[in-house]
Amino acid sequence: ETGVTQTPRHLVMGMTNKKSLKCEQHLGHNAMYWYKQSAKKPLELMFVYNFKEQTENNSVPSRFSPECPNSSHLFLHLHTLQPEDSALYLCASSQDRGGGYSNQPQHFGDGTRLSIL
Amino acid sequence: AQTVTQSQPEMSVQEAETVTLSCTYDTSENNYYLFWYKQPPSRQMILVIRQEAYKQQNATENRFSVNFQKAAKSFSLKISDSQLGDTAMYFCAFMKAVEGSNYKLTFGKGTLLTVNP
Repeated sequence: ETGVTQTPRHLVMGMTNKKSLKCEQHLGHNAMYWYKQSAKKPLELMFVYNFKEQTENNSVPSRFSPECPNSSHLFLHLHTLQPEDSALYLCASSQDRGGGYSNQPQHFGDGTRLSIL
Repeated sequence: AQTVTQSQPEMSVQEAETVTLSCTYDTSENNYYLFWYKQPPSRQMILVIRQEAYKQQNATENRFSVNFQKAAKSFSLKISDSQLGDTAMYFCAFMKAVEGSNYKLTFGKGTLLTVNP
């Protein structure tokens, strides 16, 4: 069983819908991430949260809105998405040892397969 | 900016044989970490092995080992005694070991490895 759980596993939505992706980690980590995985492209880091504070926004369009209520939960709120946003969205977590950087490996969830109609 | 290149989009190997996946990267940093992740059809990204750039000794994890050539900026993965369960997408990833780097992992595009019976 993975230490990082993502729901839903699959999501199909229209461009005008509003939906949210959920990620929960059971590893006691304090840093969480959202990645986008598109076909034929490297994984793209979207957001980083460290101790619930957003520390990275990798030029992500505002139609993606992250939320981190605590160190164990991370959400990605979606609204008015475009067809090119169809992808696998992966959540990850890691343990930050302080100092603003971490050499600890990131643990990933199984992802949410998002399809925009 | 860092880049990671995996020049082999697909590879195949016979069960019990050895295969090497290549990875090169470009960086001006002296301290960094390198990772190999595996993503089977189940979609979960699983850490296979990691290497600290300041260590000259190549990392090994059971059947998995790396050939880290820092001057050449090369980080290949060798899988010995290949098993059917090794069939997966393999991603090479780079992370700076610098304070304030915000834990950024830069991924390559991946190599799809198929182990044939």
